[in-house]
Amino acid sequence: NAGVTQTPKFQVLKTGQSMTLQCAQDMNHEYMSWYRQDPGMGLRLIHYSVGAGITDQGEVPNGYNVSRSTTEDFPLRLLSAAPSQTSVYFCASSYFLRGPVYGYTFGSGTRLTVV
Amino acid sequence: AQKVTQAQTEISVVEKEDVTLDCVYETRDTTYYLFWYKQPPSGELVFLIRRNSFDEQNEISGRYSWNFQKSTSSFNFTITASQVVDSAVYFCALSEANGNQFYFGTGTSLTVIP
Repeated sequence: NAGVTQTPKFQVLKTGQSMTLQCAQDMNHEYMSWYRQDPGMGLRLIHYSVGAGITDQGEVPNGYNVSRSTTEDFPLRLLSAAPSQTSVYFCASSYFLRGPVYGYTFGSGTRLTVV
Repeated sequence: AQKVTQAQTEISVVEKEDVTLDCVYETRDTTYYLFWYKQPPSGELVFLIRRNSFDEQNEISGRYSWNFQKSTSSFNFTITASQVVDSAVYFCALSEANGNQFYFGTGTSLTVIP
């Protein structure tokens, strides 16, 4: 019972490089999302998906792309890394219960540093 | 305007003291959920409680208790007889019936001093 698996746990990128943060869940959750956590700012939503083939932007989507080709996977792509994207990234999944997101299961996080 | 406000940035208490973490939320929906998550120094986010908007009963789980008051839009979290293992950042969050996301507060960092 793996839950939500994020890889890698740590990553250092040079400015301008691209990379993909991987997220997979084995709970058959319809809903998946990516958050970034920065000191003093809590967690802010980057992108989310309510099912395979459906994605939408959150509060801070610029510089990131997502796709959802399967229920299980929701990768986050950094197109051209910038120092402002240095952060801890969390993937989370949930099932819906008559409307609201019912409650997240979080991955363990990816600590990304852009130099 | 921020939907979830945790005004206490940092709190320090001595072990065995009680401590209350405040959470004030803002929403126009009549159906919503409120949550508390714990983030220990190891960094993972641990679910503590979910409360729906129609249930204002207070809840107790061991040393943890939650006070939900719709009249003041607050969902406060109390730890009784705090322990060093309670040291963590605690986040309050809101999920609305007509939304597809959580809104997190900025977190309260709790340090329990032995």
